[in-house]
Amino acid sequence: KQEVTQIPAALSVPEGENLVLNCSFTDSAIYNLQWFRQDPGKGLTSLLLIQSSQREQTSGRLNASLDKSSGRSTLYIAASQPGDSATYLCAVANQAGTALIFGKGTTLSVSS
Amino acid sequence: SAVISQKPSRDICQRGTSLTIQCQVDSQVTMMFWYRQQPGQSLTLIATANQGSEATYESGFVIDKFPISRPNLTFSTLTVSNMSPEDSSIYLCSVEDLPRNEKLFFGSGTQLSVL
Repeated sequence: KQEVTQIPAALSVPEGENLVLNCSFTDSAIYNLQWFRQDPGKGLTSLLLIQSSQREQTSGRLNASLDKSSGRSTLYIAASQPGDSATYLCAVANQAGTALIFGKGTTLSVSS
Repeated sequence: SAVISQKPSRDICQRGTSLTIQCQVDSQVTMMFWYRQQPGQSLTLIATANQGSEATYESGFVIDKFPISRPNLTFSTLTVSNMSPEDSSIYLCSVEDLPRNEKLFFGSGTQLSVL
């Protein structure tokens, strides 16, 4: 059974710092991996999707990497801003067209 | 990208009652997913709803407790029946983006509190 773990559970950094969020999964035979952002009362927003054949994806200040063989992904946030404060969720799909399996998330707080 | 409207955004309900949550999408989608997020926990899939067929429920979730309707390609409802305080959670609907770039889009969620 696929399990997704995210560490740390919470992180506080001052504005401007670069930071890394970690995600690990127990079954390396994944189809894809997504990183989401969750804001209270606003649902989830998809940030980056990495297919199993890819090693990384970038969007603006965000970079997500995938090492399928070791069952790990990282989300790198450059030059953090207070607006980045949110909970970040990692989720994997084991097969095409199947629902995602989520980690518990990392709650990020960026202070100005 | 799909735009999802989910209603109600929050509700406080009495034990033993039922609540129906609506999910409206601005485009036709094949698959819709219903998730539950209990306090401090990750999202857990309740069921997958395809238009024209019965919903497929995950282990631990049953149709009598969480009946789902999917009358067309843009709309679905999830009912939480005979509620107890343990049902207090955020409930979210989700759809797969089209064409098949496989990103998932989520509604804003329904925050349910059962007294």
